[in-house]
Amino acid sequence: SYELTQPPSVSVSPGQTARITCSGDALSNHFASWFQQKSGQAPVLLICRDSERPSGIPERFSGSSSGRTTVTLTISAVQPEDEADYYCLSADTTGSYGVFGGGTKLTVL
Amino acid sequence: EVQLVQSGAEIKKSGESLKISCEASGYNFLTYWIGWVRQVPGKGLEWMGIISPGDSDTRYSPSFRGQVTISADKSISTAFLQWNSLKASDTAIYYCTRGYHDSSAYSPGYWGLGTLVTVSS
Repeated sequence: SYELTQPPSVSVSPGQTARITCSGDALSNHFASWFQQKSGQAPVLLICRDSERPSGIPERFSGSSSGRTTVTLTISAVQPEDEADYYCLSADTTGSYGVFGGGTKLTVL
Repeated sequence: EVQLVQSGAEIKKSGESLKISCEASGYNFLTYWIGWVRQVPGKGLEWMGIISPGDSDTRYSPSFRGQVTISADKSISTAFLQWNSLKASDTAIYYCTRGYHDSSAYSPGYWGLGTLVTVSS
């Protein structure tokens, strides 16, 4: 079945930029979304349609697509409260069902 | 204000059936995809399936097709997730979600608080 691949962990110091990638063969054909999940809480949508930021999401969070098989979540000026798990989501090759990436744990050093 | 209110925690035994619910309010229930996401404690998010309440179009992940049934009752703006025979491996938190845009099948922008289902063997 279709898979989306994320790095298990990313570490950055406060104020630096964190980049989390998500790779999948069908990402050139289907939009991706990004979610933040803090411990004990429901996930929050950060980015949809590769790069659209829902209302209320800080501008520090941005999404981009290489146009091929990788999308990237960029967190600028990382803050300690950004420490969380981050997940990408997109559709499979036929657009018939959704798939989450395995998740990336962001550690703020 | 969009709200997704999920039913309470459940404790069941293997082999039992279960139906959990998600009551939606604050928007036109017929217009947005409603989905379900599983999270085993300590593990990642798993996309289970979605339903379009307006026309009952339903899509399942291959991992969950045949294992659960997703349905919706338009008259009470409520979506359901159902098992006929639970397994211990079904122990997880189940989140109800709603698409962010009305065309968003795969961008859940609103999430319920989750329903914890515990299945003992």
